[in-house]
Amino acid sequence: EADIYQTPRYLVIGTGKKITLECSQTMGHDKMYWYQQDPGMELHLIHYSYGVNSTEKGDLSSESTVSRIRTEHFPLTLESARPSHTSQYLCASSERGFRETQYFGPGTRLLVL
Amino acid sequence: DQQVKQNSPSLSVQEGRISILNCDYTNSMFDYFLWYKKYPAEGPTFLISISSIKDKNEDGRFTVFLNKSAKHLSLHIVPSQPGDSAVYFCAAEGGNTPLVFGKGTRLSVIA
Repeated sequence: EADIYQTPRYLVIGTGKKITLECSQTMGHDKMYWYQQDPGMELHLIHYSYGVNSTEKGDLSSESTVSRIRTEHFPLTLESARPSHTSQYLCASSERGFRETQYFGPGTRLLVL
Repeated sequence: DQQVKQNSPSLSVQEGRISILNCDYTNSMFDYFLWYKKYPAEGPTFLISISSIKDKNEDGRFTVFLNKSAKHLSLHIVPSQPGDSAVYFCAAEGGNTPLVFGKGTRLSVIA
């Protein structure tokens, strides 16, 4: 199972602030993902990466951006936080290959006031 | 339109009995299915998966059944334990579609 870490675990921030959610994995997985999840709802894919310098947008329109400069690191940035960004953000990773299982980090719960 | 549907938002089961969680999908290109378990304020934990070439996969107390003709899968937990109380997500992928999740079913196992 992947060791995958997210910081911070909880964040309360004011509208208009720039924030970066960190995600790191130690298993050398090529693929990494960011999901957004609200209570009682499905996980929505917002960004993914299949390797260094590769990033793609998911099915949920998002005002966030990501970067993948190192294999183990996949940070998510919100340039200007809004109350509509309040949610839980989940990072996941998987090995390169076909139908590889995704393993999730503990999540960051974001509250924008 | 939801491609993966978990129509029961919640389920209560007595300790020791069987828990059956259901999932339906609409995309016939899906060929790989997974179940995840999620506790509050934590990330989902992988439980069990099944490929479309199989109709059953078992791992300890957990068994997943796949009925491709009905586009339906189910997760059986036997016997259910209080520590199984969590939200269970069904997920599917196939073709060029990345992993798609259902809305989850909250399982409560009552001692």
